[in-house]
Amino acid sequence: DQQVKQNSPSLSVQEGRISILNCDYTNSMFDYFLWYKKYPAEGPTFLISISSIKDKNEDGRFTVFLNKSAKHLSLHIVPSQPGDSAVYFCAASVGGSNYKLTFGKGTLLTVNP
Amino acid sequence: DAGVIQSPRHEVTEMGQEVTLRCKPISGHNSLFWYRQTMMRGLELLIYFNNNVPIDDSGMPEDRFSAKMPNASFSTLKIQPSEPRDSAVYFCASSWGIQETQYFGPGTRLLVL
Repeated sequence: DQQVKQNSPSLSVQEGRISILNCDYTNSMFDYFLWYKKYPAEGPTFLISISSIKDKNEDGRFTVFLNKSAKHLSLHIVPSQPGDSAVYFCAASVGGSNYKLTFGKGTLLTVNP
Repeated sequence: DAGVIQSPRHEVTEMGQEVTLRCKPISGHNSLFWYRQTMMRGLELLIYFNNNVPIDDSGMPEDRFSAKMPNASFSTLKIQPSEPRDSAVYFCASSWGIQETQYFGPGTRLLVL
């Protein structure tokens, strides 16, 4: 039973436009959420996180939004760049930390020049 | 600084053989995590160590899997005997503490024939 779901296996956007990656979760105990980015033949790298006490966190071109009532979070990338092309994983944990992460299956983002 | 180092990067073996995957965490990190990525189940936490001590191995699929961390700079994940369903990418990650950001290695792609 997948507790963290990324329903879109892939997403394609034009360079300069906004990329929106979505993630849904079912476990109401999750209180810390993260996004990781993964390039081929590399391990995932941490991108941005958000605590359940917030509904938005921003870091440069990357913004994560959290809607607790809908159990939904999204990652916005503005503007998208070809170097952003990668697999993006949503992850969640209980206890407000990076401990014992539950990952989604990932969304492949392709940014076309 | 060197990141997390995993070896081998690729492993092809036959069913029934013993497989040993190796990980060198980032120097100074005291928490180490082993993950497995498959198409069906995505990225799953298998086991994690804190200060070389296994804290939670509830994600280890069965007794054929074992992990050790004899010192702060080395960990192994062993599968004996290996089965075709063990084919996956195995990632090692380390962090400054159990609640801190995890840094992933490049992974070992295992194929069991």
